[in-house]
Amino acid sequence: AQSVAQPEDQVNVAEGNPLTVKCTYSVSGNPYLFWYVQYPNRGLQFLLKYITGDNLVKGSYGFEAEFNKSQTSFHLKKPSALVSDSALYFCAVRSGYSSYKLIFGSGTRLLVRP
Amino acid sequence: NAGVTQTPKFRVLKTGQSMTLLCAQDMNHEYMYWYRQDPGMGLRLIHYSVGEGTTAKGEVPDGYNVSRLKKQNFLLGLESAAPSQTSVYFCASCSGGAGLSPDTQYFGPGTRLTVL
Repeated sequence: AQSVAQPEDQVNVAEGNPLTVKCTYSVSGNPYLFWYVQYPNRGLQFLLKYITGDNLVKGSYGFEAEFNKSQTSFHLKKPSALVSDSALYFCAVRSGYSSYKLIFGSGTRLLVRP
Repeated sequence: NAGVTQTPKFRVLKTGQSMTLLCAQDMNHEYMYWYRQDPGMGLRLIHYSVGEGTTAKGEVPDGYNVSRLKKQNFLLGLESAAPSQTSVYFCASCSGGAGLSPDTQYFGPGTRLTVL
């Protein structure tokens, strides 16, 4: 069965510092991996996804994610954090290729302090 | 282009009451989903639909029913609400067809439901 794990409930980082939000996955077959962000009292917004090709995927708002097959990881990164990046981040893996279902991790709260 | 909309935004029910949550999308998407979000548990799929007139069970379907009579609408029903159904409910859709991002899901703003 497909699954993703986000080992950190919360990540704290100072504005201007690089940030990493971790995600590991377990899939049978090729992984289709996603990152979504949720701002307070809002629905989830798509950030980026990995299907195939370059291991470094660039997405919205300056975020990028690195796919590592040997470590079964898909960590979200940003070189310089902004206070406005503070939000809840979800990693997801596609399950059910004919139904395009997603399985989400438990989420990681990112707090960027000024 | 409103994307995905959900009504109502908030609702308080008493145990045993029924209600219907409405999701509408104007992107002509084939696939629609209902999730619930609970603290520390991420999003869990309740039911989904792969096209007009079709529905299927997700991870946590018990206590819920759905209907997709029109392509743009996906209704989630609670026949007899229970306190365990207190949650934030999200609807999402994706195109599921050809194109650059057939599996990118677009989410509504959510419905916050409290069952007393």
